[in-house]
Amino acid sequence: AQTVTQSQPEMSVQEAETVTLSCTYDTSESDYYLFWYKQPPSRQMILVIRQEAYKQQNATENRFSVNFQKAAKSFSLKISDSQLGDAAMYFCAYRRTSGTYKYIFGTGTRLKVLA
Amino acid sequence: GAGVSQSPSNKVTEKGKDVELRCDPISGHTALYWYRQSLGQGLEFLIYFQGNSAPDKSGLPSDRFSAERTGGSVSTLTIQRTQQEDSAVYLCASSYETGRETQYFGPGTRLLVL
Repeated sequence: AQTVTQSQPEMSVQEAETVTLSCTYDTSESDYYLFWYKQPPSRQMILVIRQEAYKQQNATENRFSVNFQKAAKSFSLKISDSQLGDAAMYFCAYRRTSGTYKYIFGTGTRLKVLA
Repeated sequence: GAGVSQSPSNKVTEKGKDVELRCDPISGHTALYWYRQSLGQGLEFLIYFQGNSAPDKSGLPSDRFSAERTGGSVSTLTIQRTQQEDSAVYLCASSYETGRETQYFGPGTRLLVL
């Protein structure tokens, strides 16, 4: 069975600094998707970034980028130039590309941004 | 509508009562998911509907939980004989059926069982 692990329950970063959130996963599949979702206090889950396993190039969305290490089954999120609005829970998620499209989520990392 | 909507946004009920939670997916999205998020926890998959296929119910925690999706659009999650441990935020998400599409979430329903 696939699993997703986020080992950092909470992280803090100074405004304008860079922070990296960790995520590891376990799967026997060769093709799959990985996601980072943000959940602010409003509890609305927002997609931050998506990575397709067959693509070697790391995904980037403005200040957000990932370090995808397929062999190590690692998928970390880097937030550059952190802003107060980045404060939220961040969830890493996995989904197969065939068969069931059930998503597997990690337990989340709470990010605090310090002014 | 522009996004996934859920109702009610908050629900307080007494232990033993039945509750119904509603989800309206994004127009055109044929896949629909229900998740449960307990306080301070991650998302727990409950059930997944994909087009006209039989739903994946593997995440439902007990037979008190059920869900249906009428006409391939609106979905209702029903919890019978609610227990205090059912208190959580229930999130709904939808996506296109192709399997390569990202899911989009609603704002959730916060359920409190007294």
